[in-house]
Amino acid sequence: AQSVTQLDSHVSVSEGTPVLLRCNYSSSYSPSLFWYVQHPNKGLQLLLKYTSAATLVKGINGFEAEFKKSETSFHLTKPSAHMSDAAEYFCVRASSNTGKLIFGQGTTLQVKP
Amino acid sequence: DTGVSQNPRHKITKRGQNVTFRCDPISEHNRLYWYRQTLGQGPEFLTYFQNEAQLEKSRLLSDRFSAERPKGSFSTLEIQRTEQGDSAMYLCASSLALLNSGNTIYFGEGSWLTVV
Repeated sequence: AQSVTQLDSHVSVSEGTPVLLRCNYSSSYSPSLFWYVQHPNKGLQLLLKYTSAATLVKGINGFEAEFKKSETSFHLTKPSAHMSDAAEYFCVRASSNTGKLIFGQGTTLQVKP
Repeated sequence: DTGVSQNPRHKITKRGQNVTFRCDPISEHNRLYWYRQTLGQGPEFLTYFQNEAQLEKSRLLSDRFSAERPKGSFSTLEIQRTEQGDSAMYLCASSLALLNSGNTIYFGEGSWLTVV
């Protein structure tokens, strides 16, 4: 079955330090992968998406992710964390059969001052 | 583009009552999705429509749940005889056609349901 696994349920960083949120996906031909962010009591906002174009994808708010087929990974990074980045992050893939989204369990990012 | 709109945003209901949520997708989007999210979990797929046709329903969608999209525009999700386990946020999303073609799925702010 198609799936995504977020390797960390909780990540804590200091403001101004790099962020790394890890995601692995089950092997599939040319998956569509996304990262969404969810602030408390809010809906989901798209950060970035990979659709088999460039392997390094740049998103909003300084986030980027690199698609590595050999590692079946799609980790999310940001060079310098900001307090406003504190939120829940979801790695998501689109089902190649139906087009619906399959979510990882989420990673809570805490940013300390 | 006003985004995906959901209402009500919050609903508190007594166990056994029926509730209905409405979703207005982005106007030109032909796909509409419903997801459910409980505290500390990622969203789980419930069902989706392409235009007015309901193409897939999750096993999570018991017979107390029904979703419609009568004219291929807005959608409603009704829960009958609510149970405490139905307490969750119900998310609606919309997109153009297939996601694998690069189209993006856009989410609404969600409708919180609390069953007491």
